[in-house]
Amino acid sequence: GAGVSQSPSNKVTEKGKDVELRCDPISGHTALYWYRQSLGQGLEFLIYFQGNSAPDKSGLPSDRFSAERTGGSVSTLTIQRTQQEDSAVYLCASSSSAGTYYEQYFGPGTRLTVT
Amino acid sequence: AQSVAQPEDQVNVAEGNPLTVKCTYSVSGNPYLFWYVQYPNRGLQFLLKYITGDNLVKGSYGFEAEFNKSQTSFHLKKPSALVSDSALYFCAVRAFSITGGGNKLTFGTGTQLKVEL
Repeated sequence: GAGVSQSPSNKVTEKGKDVELRCDPISGHTALYWYRQSLGQGLEFLIYFQGNSAPDKSGLPSDRFSAERTGGSVSTLTIQRTQQEDSAVYLCASSSSAGTYYEQYFGPGTRLTVT
Repeated sequence: AQSVAQPEDQVNVAEGNPLTVKCTYSVSGNPYLFWYVQYPNRGLQFLLKYITGDNLVKGSYGFEAEFNKSQTSFHLKKPSALVSDSALYFCAVRAFSITGGGNKLTFGTGTQLKVEL
């Protein structure tokens, strides 16, 4: 079946511009996660959604970052007034539940470059 | 707070030899441990997980991992490495929380595995 998809695969933007990154989770998966992968820094949790519950935003690095999930499916991560330090690969993952022992399935990521 | 350490940035092994990629963790409560692999320009792929039960867990592509509670380790192993196993490997941990707040994965910094002919 179809896996997690993300778009665009690459995004180059100028410092100060806003960007939107999209994630389509696996159909039927109720939990959706965003992570950031920076060179030399591993994977950093950003935010997660579970069904209709309030999202866990504890990993968002600043108020320039926000995310929404419409209709319990597609999610958009928005970064306002981008900075060079926002350059990274943004990974989306979904799982059939947010239960502790459910593995997450990752998309291919969006590589964001802020110039 | 939960954390994961992967002490080796890179592991080199000859094809056909056994490989081990090390991982240690720190959590409060029972750990749930995962290994993921990342090929160049690809997302992470799930390899295996430990939840409970047998300390030796078998996963995809012939990989296995051994959970050792006393050493707080979850090392990834394969009896005979292939060149195609060359990739970046991540260990991750989650801790069970009765409040449900422990659902995010905490990842190690990754270990680059290089298998040579």
